[in-house]
Amino acid sequence: SYDLTQPPSVSVSPGQTASLTCSGDELGSKFVSWYQQKPGQSPVLVLYEDDKRPSGIPERFSGSNSGNTATLTISGTQAMDEADYYCQAWDSATGVFGGGTKLTVL
Amino acid sequence: QVQLVQSGSEWRKPGASVKVSCKTTGYTFSSNSMSWVRQAPGQGLEWMGWIDTEIGITTYGRGFAGRVVLSLDTSVDTAYLQISSLKAEDTAMYYCARAPERHYNNKWFLDYWGQGTLVTVSS
Repeated sequence: SYDLTQPPSVSVSPGQTASLTCSGDELGSKFVSWYQQKPGQSPVLVLYEDDKRPSGIPERFSGSNSGNTATLTISGTQAMDEADYYCQAWDSATGVFGGGTKLTVL
Repeated sequence: QVQLVQSGSEWRKPGASVKVSCKTTGYTFSSNSMSWVRQAPGQGLEWMGWIDTEIGITTYGRGFAGRVVLSLDTSVDTAYLQISSLKAEDTAMYYCARAPERHYNNKWFLDYWGQGTLVTVSS
């Protein structure tokens, strides 16, 4: 089975850049999507196909994927970006989520 | 606009079954396959499986084959998740989430999500 690993928590100061990582075996050969989930809400897609933003997602959200690591980067992090973030990929038509990273903006 | 509206919270005793619905509007139901995702209280997201909304073929995630059945009623554009032999560990929020197209490919993502259905299993 395929596993994705995320750090449990990341802290960032407002206005700074947050880098959230997602690691998996040869992850760079797969496509990664990222989801933001705020307390009491459903997840929201923020990036797909490694680095594409759905309409309505701010430009400060960007992504990359190479080797064994995918990264979600939030530039100029705002208080509203505080949330849990999950990476997700597919392995043999089976979906896999990372364990999630709680982003704290303080 | 695309909407996925799930049925309301459910409470079941251990050993019982539950069926959660996901009613879709705003797009052609058979054009996009549907995934289901579980989130236990305070825990992360777990992918449960997906169903091809035209032909009903299913793929289940690790640990979900057997007690979980995904189904459709295309006449009402609705997907269903049924879980049998419920255990306390099945207490969770369950989400339906739409794939960007019907045919699987490794670029898939989940672009629209339902509001979630809380299933509580307790005696």
